Amino acid sequence: GQNIDQPTEMTATEGAIVQINCTYQTSGFNGLFWYQQHAGEAPTFLSYNVLDGLEEKGRFSSFLSRSKGYSYLLLKELQMKDSASYLCAGMDSNYQLIWGAGTKLIIKP
Amino acid sequence: DAGVIQSPRHEVTEMGQEVTLRCKPISGHDYLFWYRQTMMRGLELLIYFNNNVPIDDSGMPEDRFSAKMPNASFSTLKIQPSEPRDSAVYFCASTLGEKLFFGSGTQLSVL
Repeated sequence: GQNIDQPTEMTATEGAIVQINCTYQTSGFNGLFWYQQHAGEAPTFLSYNVLDGLEEKGRFSSFLSRSKGYSYLLLKELQMKDSASYLCAGMDSNYQLIWGAGTKLIIKP
Repeated sequence: DAGVIQSPRHEVTEMGQEVTLRCKPISGHDYLFWYRQTMMRGLELLIYFNNNVPIDDSGMPEDRFSAKMPNASFSTLKIQPSEPRDSAVYFCASTLGEKLFFGSGTQLSVL
């Protein structure tokens, strides 16, 4: 079957670094996505990895290891506005997104 | 571009009533998706269209749910009759490539 696993909740301190892990099992693989969703709002695109390695975009970076079925989202210099849910999604061979349940990130001052 | 536009933003209805949710995708996008999100089940794909044609409706929970896309700029999701377990946030999303753009969602409460 197809499955995405990520932690339910994480807590971090403002100004610190946090890594949100995601493991995936999909029928075929066409990329790994991270979306951010603030409470009461729609998900918004953060990153897309299809090749192994680290992609950096400002304070946010995303890593992919296809051989391990593993990805992480790294958030640096955390700000209070980073408090949100982070959704990991794998794209299967039919180009369909398989979504994780999301990781709720709580930032404390 | 205004992004994906959904209406209404909130809908409160009584069990047994018909509910119609509306979506205007981003101009030029050829894929449109309807999702449902709940705390218990997370984000679930209900149906998606490519160039106005329904491709996969295997996620539609029951015959009470139906979706149409009469043209490239408009889609509806209808629930008839509605039930309390249909209460959720319904998102419409569109894309031209890999990145999905979501609308603001419709918060549906069925009493």
